Amino acid sequence: GENVEQHPSTLSVQEGDSAVIKCTYSDSASNYFPWYKQELGKRPQLIIDIRSNVGEKKDQRIAVTLNKTAKHFSLHITETQPEDSAVYFCAASSNDYKLSFGAGTTVTVRA
Amino acid sequence: SAVISQKPSRDICQRGTSLTIQCQVDSQVTMMFWYRQQPGQSLTLIATANQGSEATYESGFVIDKFPISRPNLTFSTLTVSNMSPEDSSIYLCSVGLNEQFFGPGTRLTVL
Repeated sequence: GENVEQHPSTLSVQEGDSAVIKCTYSDSASNYFPWYKQELGKRPQLIIDIRSNVGEKKDQRIAVTLNKTAKHFSLHITETQPEDSAVYFCAASSNDYKLSFGAGTTVTVRA
Repeated sequence: SAVISQKPSRDICQRGTSLTIQCQVDSQVTMMFWYRQQPGQSLTLIATANQGSEATYESGFVIDKFPISRPNLTFSTLTVSNMSPEDSSIYLCSVGLNEQFFGPGTRLTVL
């Protein structure tokens, strides 16, 4: 099955700085890569996703890049704000729509 | 996106008992999934709830322990059977194809 590795496990950034989270996947059949944000006690929320036919996607302060050859994808958050503090999960799926999640990254934005 | 509800939101159960968790969606959806999130951990797929047929379980999860029903396209149940403290987790349903949205989760504590 799919194995998704995520780094770092924790990330502390100064407000206004950028944050980058990296994930690798093992299954070349994976073609969909979502990112979820989970605040304490809340459900995971889909914040951005990318499909295998696209190299980069941006939505305001967040962007995701995908390198199919290297089987890795990354989440970039620019101009971080305190409300960006949360746990972020990357995931991967193929045509069966089953999501395999990374271990998660706890992001703390220091004011 | 669909509005997803789960019942109960939380429960404390005695070992050896069973708990049935309900997931209700406000619109018909093709795919429904059940995930487990152990304390401080990532999400792990338990099974795909198939409408009108038996659920498809992931490695490490069996029907006798986690029976699932999917009587129609808006509703599913997950039962956690013969519970032990190791079953203490958050159980979440999700709906969707590539873009998956999660229910609020059921926080289960087994004593």
